[in-house]
Amino acid sequence: AQKVTQAQTEISVVEKEDVTLDCVYETRDTTYYLFWYKQPPSGELVFLIRRNSFDEQNEISGRYSWNFQKSTSSFNFTITASQVVDSAVYFCALSEAYSHFNAGNNRKLIWGLGTSLAVNP
Amino acid sequence: NAGVTQTPKFQVLKTGQSMTLQCAQDMNHNSMYWYRQDPGMGLRLIYYSASEGTTDKGEVPNGYNVSRLNKREFSLRLESAAPSQTSVYFCASTDRGLSGANVLTFGAGSRLTVL
Repeated sequence: AQKVTQAQTEISVVEKEDVTLDCVYETRDTTYYLFWYKQPPSGELVFLIRRNSFDEQNEISGRYSWNFQKSTSSFNFTITASQVVDSAVYFCALSEAYSHFNAGNNRKLIWGLGTSLAVNP
Repeated sequence: NAGVTQTPKFQVLKTGQSMTLQCAQDMNHNSMYWYRQDPGMGLRLIYYSASEGTTDKGEVPNGYNVSRLNKREFSLRLESAAPSQTSVYFCASTDRGLSGANVLTFGAGSRLTVL
């Protein structure tokens, strides 16, 4: 069965600290996609990154970086030098690749329960 | 660009009342989705529409109906609201059909309280 676990329910840091949000997933498929979304206090969910299972390169985008390790089924998200504007709930999600013969199960994302990050001044 | 627009943003209903949540996207996306978000439950898919003219049930469809009015609009109807339907509802859309690589664009959410 597919599953996404974000073990950290809440994290609180002081501005300029680095913080890592953990995401561990389970899937039997060999082809899948992993995502991170951000939900700021305003409420809407915003896409941050998508990674497919064949691309284990780490990615950096400004202060954000992602570490994908298939060996440990993890897709962790690090914010460097955190800022108050980074305060949000962050969701990790898993989607197996589309399959014509199994479309019913592939039409949804499996979401983690989210990690609430508070960055204090 | 407005993206995905949901109305209303807030609504309070009494048990048994009906209401419709409206969603419209202006990105020419083919697929649209309705999710609900509850504390401790994460995001759960209610219904989705792969393309104009089609709708399918998600994980938690009971108590809801949907209409894909045209390519832009996808509404969610509660025929007889129950307190268990108190939640934040999100509409989302994507232009990649049912691919697992879908990136969803979300609306701002509609907070519904059923008394």
